[in-house]
Amino acid sequence: KNQVEQSPQSLIILEGKNCTLQCNYTVSPFSNLRWYKQDTGRGPVSLTIMTFSENTKSNGRYTATLDADTKQSSLHITASQLSDSASYICVVSALGTGNQFYFGTGTSLTVIP
Amino acid sequence: DTGVSQNPRHKITKRGQNVTFRCDPISEHNRLYWYRQTLGQGPEFLTYFQNEAQLEKSRLLSDRFSAERPKGSFSTLEIQRTEQGDSAMYLCASSLKRSQAQETQYFGPGTRLLVL
Repeated sequence: KNQVEQSPQSLIILEGKNCTLQCNYTVSPFSNLRWYKQDTGRGPVSLTIMTFSENTKSNGRYTATLDADTKQSSLHITASQLSDSASYICVVSALGTGNQFYFGTGTSLTVIP
Repeated sequence: DTGVSQNPRHKITKRGQNVTFRCDPISEHNRLYWYRQTLGQGPEFLTYFQNEAQLEKSRLLSDRFSAERPKGSFSTLEIQRTEQGDSAMYLCASSLKRSQAQETQYFGPGTRLLVL
Protein backbone atom coordinates (compact mmCIF):
# COMPACT_ATOMS: atom_id res chain seq x y z
CA LYS A 1 0.00 0.00 0.00
CA ASN A 2 1.36 3.44 -0.91
CA GLN A 3 1.83 5.47 2.26
CA VAL A 4 3.68 8.53 3.49
CA GLU A 5 4.43 8.97 7.17
CA GLN A 6 5.87 12.05 8.81
CA SER A 7 7.44 12.65 12.17
CA PRO A 8 7.25 14.28 14.56
CA GLN A 9 3.59 15.24 14.43
CA SER A 10 4.41 18.57 16.06
CA LEU A 11 7.52 20.41 17.14
CA ILE A 12 8.25 23.54 19.14
CA ILE A 13 11.66 25.19 18.87
CA LEU A 14 13.30 28.44 19.90
CA GLU A 15 13.95 31.08 17.29
CA GLY A 16 17.40 30.71 15.81
CA LYS A 17 17.63 26.96 16.45
CA ASN A 18 17.82 24.27 13.78
CA CYS A 19 15.39 21.41 13.34
CA THR A 20 14.89 18.34 11.17
CA LEU A 21 11.60 16.87 10.00
CA GLN A 22 11.29 13.30 8.77
CA CYS A 23 9.33 11.63 6.00
CA ASN A 24 9.19 7.86 5.34
CA TYR A 25 7.34 6.46 2.37
CA THR A 26 6.38 3.19 0.74
CA VAL A 27 5.24 4.68 -2.58
CA SER A 28 6.25 2.65 -5.60
CA PRO A 29 7.26 3.09 -8.32
CA PHE A 30 8.83 6.29 -7.07
CA SER A 31 8.83 9.41 -9.22
CA ASN A 32 9.67 12.34 -6.96
CA LEU A 33 9.25 13.78 -3.48
CA ARG A 34 8.20 17.29 -2.56
CA TRP A 35 8.17 19.24 0.66
CA TYR A 36 5.45 21.85 1.01
CA LYS A 37 5.04 24.60 3.59
CA GLN A 38 1.49 25.40 4.60
CA ASP A 39 0.78 28.48 6.67
CA THR A 40 -2.35 28.39 8.80
CA GLY A 41 -5.43 28.97 6.68
CA ARG A 42 -3.50 28.97 3.41
CA GLY A 43 -2.77 26.48 0.64
CA PRO A 44 0.50 24.50 0.54
CA VAL A 45 3.47 26.11 -1.21
CA SER A 46 6.28 24.02 -2.69
CA LEU A 47 9.70 24.26 -1.03
CA THR A 48 11.73 21.56 -2.78
CA ILE A 49 11.31 18.73 -5.26
CA MET A 50 13.66 15.77 -5.48
CA THR A 51 13.88 12.98 -8.02
CA PHE A 52 15.37 9.52 -7.60
CA SER A 53 18.87 10.62 -8.53
CA GLU A 54 19.03 13.61 -6.19
CA ASN A 55 20.02 13.16 -2.56
CA THR A 56 20.09 16.76 -1.39
CA LYS A 57 18.53 20.04 -2.44
CA SER A 58 18.53 23.44 -0.77
CA ASN A 59 16.18 26.38 -0.88
CA GLY A 60 17.57 29.13 1.31
CA ARG A 61 17.52 27.94 4.91
CA TYR A 62 15.66 24.77 3.91
CA THR A 63 17.66 21.67 2.93
CA ALA A 64 15.96 18.46 1.89
CA THR A 65 17.65 15.08 1.70
CA LEU A 66 16.48 11.91 0.03
CA ASP A 67 17.62 8.32 0.53
CA ALA A 68 15.82 6.36 -2.16
CA ASP A 69 17.20 3.06 -0.88
CA THR A 70 15.69 3.41 2.59
CA LYS A 71 12.78 5.49 1.27
CA GLN A 72 13.39 8.29 3.71
CA SER A 73 13.56 12.05 3.35
CA SER A 74 14.31 14.83 5.77
CA LEU A 75 13.79 18.57 5.75
CA HIS A 76 16.35 20.54 7.73
CA ILE A 77 15.59 24.12 8.70
CA THR A 78 18.55 26.23 9.70
CA ALA A 79 18.46 29.28 11.97
CA SER A 80 14.71 29.14 12.37
CA GLN A 81 12.60 32.28 12.21
CA LEU A 82 9.17 33.03 13.61
CA SER A 83 7.82 32.96 10.05
CA ASP A 84 8.84 29.31 9.75
CA SER A 85 5.90 28.43 12.00
CA ALA A 86 3.70 26.37 9.71
CA SER A 87 2.77 22.84 8.75
CA TYR A 88 5.29 21.01 6.56
CA ILE A 89 3.86 18.36 4.28
CA CYS A 90 5.75 15.64 2.45
CA VAL A 91 4.21 14.54 -0.86
CA VAL A 92 5.48 11.56 -2.84
CA SER A 93 4.57 10.99 -6.47
CA ALA A 94 4.44 7.61 -8.15
CA LEU A 95 5.14 6.96 -11.80
CA GLY A 96 1.98 6.62 -13.85
CA THR A 97 -0.66 8.52 -15.70
CA GLY A 98 -3.40 8.77 -13.10
CA ASN A 99 -3.56 10.54 -9.78
CA GLN A 100 -0.21 9.60 -8.29
CA PHE A 101 0.22 12.00 -5.36
CA TYR A 102 0.47 10.63 -1.83
CA PHE A 103 0.38 13.07 1.07
CA GLY A 104 1.78 12.83 4.56
CA THR A 105 -0.22 14.22 7.48
CA GLY A 106 2.33 16.96 8.04
CA THR A 107 4.53 18.20 10.87
CA SER A 108 3.30 21.28 12.70
CA LEU A 109 6.27 23.51 13.56
CA THR A 110 6.02 26.33 16.04
CA VAL A 111 8.95 28.70 16.44
CA ILE A 112 8.86 30.72 19.63
CA PRO A 113 10.89 33.84 20.48
CA ASP B 1 0.43 33.74 -4.91
CA THR B 2 0.66 30.52 -6.93
CA GLY B 3 -1.72 31.67 -9.67
CA VAL B 4 -4.52 29.35 -8.55
CA SER B 5 -7.51 31.18 -7.07
CA GLN B 6 -10.43 29.89 -5.06
CA ASN B 7 -13.70 31.52 -4.12
CA PRO B 8 -15.07 32.09 -1.65
CA ARG B 9 -12.23 31.99 0.86
CA HIS B 10 -14.63 31.34 3.71
CA LYS B 11 -18.16 29.97 3.84
CA ILE B 12 -20.45 29.53 6.82
CA THR B 13 -23.66 27.66 6.21
CA LYS B 14 -26.39 25.89 8.09
CA ARG B 15 -26.71 22.14 8.04
CA GLY B 16 -28.81 20.99 5.11
CA GLN B 17 -27.94 23.88 2.82
CA ASN B 18 -26.11 23.50 -0.48
CA VAL B 19 -22.78 25.20 -1.12
CA THR B 20 -20.68 25.66 -4.23
CA PHE B 21 -16.99 26.48 -4.43
CA ARG B 22 -15.05 27.67 -7.44
CA CYS B 23 -11.45 27.10 -8.47
CA ASP B 24 -9.64 28.97 -11.24
CA PRO B 25 -6.44 27.14 -12.16
CA ILE B 26 -3.32 28.42 -13.89
CA SER B 27 -4.55 28.96 -17.43
CA GLU B 28 -2.41 26.48 -19.35
CA HIS B 29 -2.77 23.68 -16.77
CA ASN B 30 -4.67 20.66 -17.97
CA ARG B 31 -5.14 18.93 -14.62
CA LEU B 32 -7.19 20.14 -11.69
CA TYR B 33 -7.46 18.43 -8.31
CA TRP B 34 -9.78 18.86 -5.33
CA TYR B 35 -8.71 17.97 -1.81
CA ARG B 36 -10.28 18.19 1.62
CA GLN B 37 -8.18 18.98 4.66
CA THR B 38 -9.19 18.89 8.30
CA LEU B 39 -7.25 20.38 11.18
CA GLY B 40 -3.91 18.70 11.80
CA GLN B 41 -4.20 16.43 8.79
CA GLY B 42 -2.72 16.41 5.33
CA PRO B 43 -4.91 17.00 2.27
CA GLU B 44 -7.18 14.09 1.32
CA PHE B 45 -7.79 13.48 -2.36
CA LEU B 46 -11.38 13.96 -3.55
CA THR B 47 -11.28 14.04 -7.35
CA TYR B 48 -9.33 15.23 -10.34
CA PHE B 49 -9.91 16.34 -13.91
CA GLN B 50 -7.81 16.19 -17.01
CA ASN B 51 -9.19 18.95 -19.20
CA GLU B 52 -12.96 18.56 -18.83
CA ALA B 53 -12.93 14.84 -18.05
CA GLN B 54 -13.28 13.73 -14.44
CA LEU B 55 -10.84 10.82 -14.33
CA GLU B 56 -10.96 9.69 -10.73
CA LYS B 57 -13.13 10.10 -7.66
CA SER B 58 -12.28 9.12 -4.11
CA ARG B 59 -14.59 7.05 -1.96
CA LEU B 60 -14.66 10.15 0.24
CA LEU B 61 -16.73 11.83 -2.45
CA SER B 62 -20.22 10.80 -1.41
CA ASP B 63 -23.34 11.25 -3.52
CA ARG B 64 -23.79 14.68 -1.98
CA PHE B 65 -20.59 15.90 -3.61
CA SER B 66 -20.30 16.76 -7.28
CA ALA B 67 -17.55 18.44 -9.22
CA GLU B 68 -17.48 19.83 -12.72
CA ARG B 69 -14.99 21.36 -15.08
CA PRO B 70 -17.24 22.12 -18.04
CA LYS B 71 -14.80 23.82 -20.38
CA GLY B 72 -11.56 22.43 -19.06
CA SER B 73 -10.75 25.69 -17.29
CA PHE B 74 -12.38 26.61 -13.96
CA SER B 75 -14.00 23.98 -11.78
CA THR B 76 -16.80 23.94 -9.24
CA LEU B 77 -17.31 21.67 -6.26
CA GLU B 78 -20.84 21.46 -4.93
CA ILE B 79 -21.90 19.92 -1.64
CA GLN B 80 -25.60 19.25 -1.27
CA ARG B 81 -27.41 18.92 2.07
CA THR B 82 -24.32 19.86 4.02
CA GLU B 83 -23.51 18.07 7.27
CA GLN B 84 -21.38 19.24 10.17
CA GLY B 85 -18.78 16.65 9.18
CA ASP B 86 -18.27 18.51 5.91
CA SER B 87 -16.58 21.36 7.81
CA ALA B 88 -13.06 21.49 6.46
CA MET B 89 -10.69 23.36 4.18
CA TYR B 90 -11.29 22.54 0.53
CA LEU B 91 -8.15 22.89 -1.54
CA CYS B 92 -7.80 23.06 -5.29
CA ALA B 93 -4.56 22.38 -7.15
CA SER B 94 -3.68 22.55 -10.81
CA SER B 95 -0.85 21.07 -12.83
CA LEU B 96 0.44 20.62 -16.35
CA LYS B 97 0.71 16.93 -17.13
CA ARG B 98 2.82 15.94 -20.09
CA SER B 99 3.42 12.30 -20.91
CA GLN B 100 6.89 11.74 -19.52
CA ALA B 101 7.55 14.96 -17.65
CA GLN B 102 7.25 15.58 -13.95
CA GLU B 103 3.99 16.96 -12.72
CA THR B 104 4.05 19.78 -10.17
CA GLN B 105 0.90 20.78 -8.34
CA TYR B 106 0.20 24.41 -7.53
CA PHE B 107 -2.31 24.91 -4.75
CA GLY B 108 -4.90 27.60 -4.29
CA PRO B 109 -5.46 29.32 -0.94
CA GLY B 110 -8.40 27.08 -0.12
CA THR B 111 -12.02 27.60 0.87
CA ARG B 112 -12.75 27.09 4.54
CA LEU B 113 -16.24 25.70 5.13
CA LEU B 114 -18.01 25.76 8.46
CA VAL B 115 -21.33 23.97 8.74
CA LEU B 116 -23.37 24.98 11.76
